[in-house]
Amino acid sequence: DSGVTQTPKHLITATGQRVTLRCSPRSGDLSVYWYQQSLDQGLQFLIQYYNGEERAKGNILERFSAQQFPDLHSELNLSSLELGDSALYFCASSLGGRNEQFFGPGTRLTVL
Amino acid sequence: LAKTTQPISMDSYEGQEVNITCSHNNIATNDYITWYQQFPSQGPRFIIQGYKTKVTNEVASLFIPADRKSSTLSLPRVSLSDTAVYYCLVGPYGQNFVFGPGTRLSVLP
Repeated sequence: DSGVTQTPKHLITATGQRVTLRCSPRSGDLSVYWYQQSLDQGLQFLIQYYNGEERAKGNILERFSAQQFPDLHSELNLSSLELGDSALYFCASSLGGRNEQFFGPGTRLTVL
Repeated sequence: LAKTTQPISMDSYEGQEVNITCSHNNIATNDYITWYQQFPSQGPRFIIQGYKTKVTNEVASLFIPADRKSSTLSLPRVSLSDTAVYYCLVGPYGQNFVFGPGTRLSVLP
């Protein structure tokens, strides 16, 4: 158990819908990262937040957005969902901006 | 960020030492090397990180030659439970988040 929690574990929705994925980092960790893992794209970095502010951006689509709240939990919002958005979404956290990231169990999103 | 190249897959037998090499020819002076392990349907797990020479922890060793253009993750006496995908990441400290395709290690009995 990494100490990072993600909800929900599974999410099934339809194309065109909007969903919110939630992540609670390990106690004391200020950085939160979001990743998408699909079969054909591998593990793709989406975005990093540090203490509430966006720190780095990866291959995050404009239909996706994220934020980190004052209590340091983070949410990833996915809108206008497409079949290709079906994937495992991982959240990770780290102490400050350290290299050692602790990954959560992931949210499996299925778009039908 | 430095591009990394690893073997796509490797096979080994239980009890053997496994060495996985990662090439990163355009590594920058301020780049660190980090390795992660991932089991199916689980998030990656940090194994080890280093900047130069050799780093060892309770799980693995990381060898980095003087020119830092490659690194080798060494797993001593692997077991079936070490079957996983291993990722090498290179980037500035705190910015190691570019995962390549990784190396799929299969440990056979």
